[in-house]
Amino acid sequence: DAGVIQSPRHEVTEMGQEVTLRCKPISGHNSLFWYRQTMMRGLELLIYFNNNVPIDDSGMPEDRFSAKMPNASFSTLKIQPSEPRDSAVYFCASSLALLAGAHNEQFFGPGTRLTVL
Amino acid sequence: ELKVEQNPLFLSMQEGKNYTIYCNYSTTSDRLYWYRQDPGKSLESLFVLLSNGAVKQEGRLMASLDTKARLSTLHITAAVHDLSATYFCAVAHGGGADGLTFGKGTHLIIQP
Repeated sequence: DAGVIQSPRHEVTEMGQEVTLRCKPISGHNSLFWYRQTMMRGLELLIYFNNNVPIDDSGMPEDRFSAKMPNASFSTLKIQPSEPRDSAVYFCASSLALLAGAHNEQFFGPGTRLTVL
Repeated sequence: ELKVEQNPLFLSMQEGKNYTIYCNYSTTSDRLYWYRQDPGKSLESLFVLLSNGAVKQEGRLMASLDTKARLSTLHITAAVHDLSATYFCAVAHGGGADGLTFGKGTHLIIQP
């Protein structure tokens, strides 16, 4: 299994530009999560999908951020326009979510390191 | 709002010593996770704890869960340099496919 795949691995852009991060979850997994990691705020959940449907987007910082999951094997996180404070490592994770009480282990991708100048 | 607190946040220890990392959380949850992160790398799943009294061990690491106290511990036995990393605990928001709230992490350095 290839694991969770993210692209690009590194992105450097200028303030005001649009940024699109991509994620391919592990085949067969039905839940997908986007997290952000910064030194100041640590690891934060941005949004998660179950069966391609957004379940909780309360962690999305503001309207500049949007996420989609058009099918079970692909998701995007878009920032438009980007700002320097968006600089962070963005992780995508996936899991096979079963019934409540199951361990629903989340597997993380390698991350995208975003720098906004 | 679910809050997860880890302590210590930084730990420097010598090889061969034992130590424990603590993770407290503020509201009831049915799942607690421990992850390891090496510098510049992704998160590696170590343990998933589901029930009160659960104990899991892998090599020199042992994790336990006390849901009544809302406390989990990660115990390191006879530490070796290869265990140097940042360790995170994370708590699920509820049953099913829920996101995780992470602690701030414990940066562990093991001196040879």
